[in-house]
Amino acid sequence: KNEVEQSPQNLTAQEGEFITINCSYSVGISALHWLQQHPGGGIVSLFMLSSGKKKHGRLIATINIQEKHSSLHITASHPRDSAVYICAVSRPGNQFYFGTGTSLTVIP
Amino acid sequence: EPEVTQTPSHQVTQMGQEVILRCVPISNHLYFYWYRQILGQKVEFLVSFYNNEISEKSEIFDDQFSVERPDGSNFTLKIRSTKLEDSAMYFCASSEGQATNYGYTFGSGTRLTVV
Repeated sequence: KNEVEQSPQNLTAQEGEFITINCSYSVGISALHWLQQHPGGGIVSLFMLSSGKKKHGRLIATINIQEKHSSLHITASHPRDSAVYICAVSRPGNQFYFGTGTSLTVIP
Repeated sequence: EPEVTQTPSHQVTQMGQEVILRCVPISNHLYFYWYRQILGQKVEFLVSFYNNEISEKSEIFDDQFSVERPDGSNFTLKIRSTKLEDSAMYFCASSEGQATNYGYTFGSGTRLTVV
């Protein structure tokens, strides 16, 4: 049973395209996190949100608590955005659940 | 920018041996975490640590695992008797407050290979 589901699993886009990655979760959460995992394996925390919307550069993350759904958008995608994007949720008591990730490839 | 540092980056060990994975969290952070990622699978939470004790652990974190903050800077994960299925990338993370409020910073990981 997956507490966190992501779609799509794999995504290929042309440079410049607008990209959306979706995340749905089935448990009550304290916060939702979007992470980026580079081909070398390192993980970077992109966003943590518990309501509304956050923006950082070309990245936008939104969450709808009632629908238990979040989206990560990338505007004007670039080949350097190619990575695995992971949705994770944190629950009271510091328990975390991770999605399986979305592998994004941006082609020049 | 402050970093979480993990050593070694890659460790190979024989089945049954003990391994210690080391992490140096960001200096003003108070909460520490270990995660693992088996090749091709999703990241899994192992344990969180605050105020010198475990605050939360997952089902994976059984008696063969232990964590310690021996000297106020290092945060270690010990696996007592490694099994083949312990082969994974192990990530350390730290946060200033509870990650539910502050977010967290990951280290670059230690790839553990058990042979």
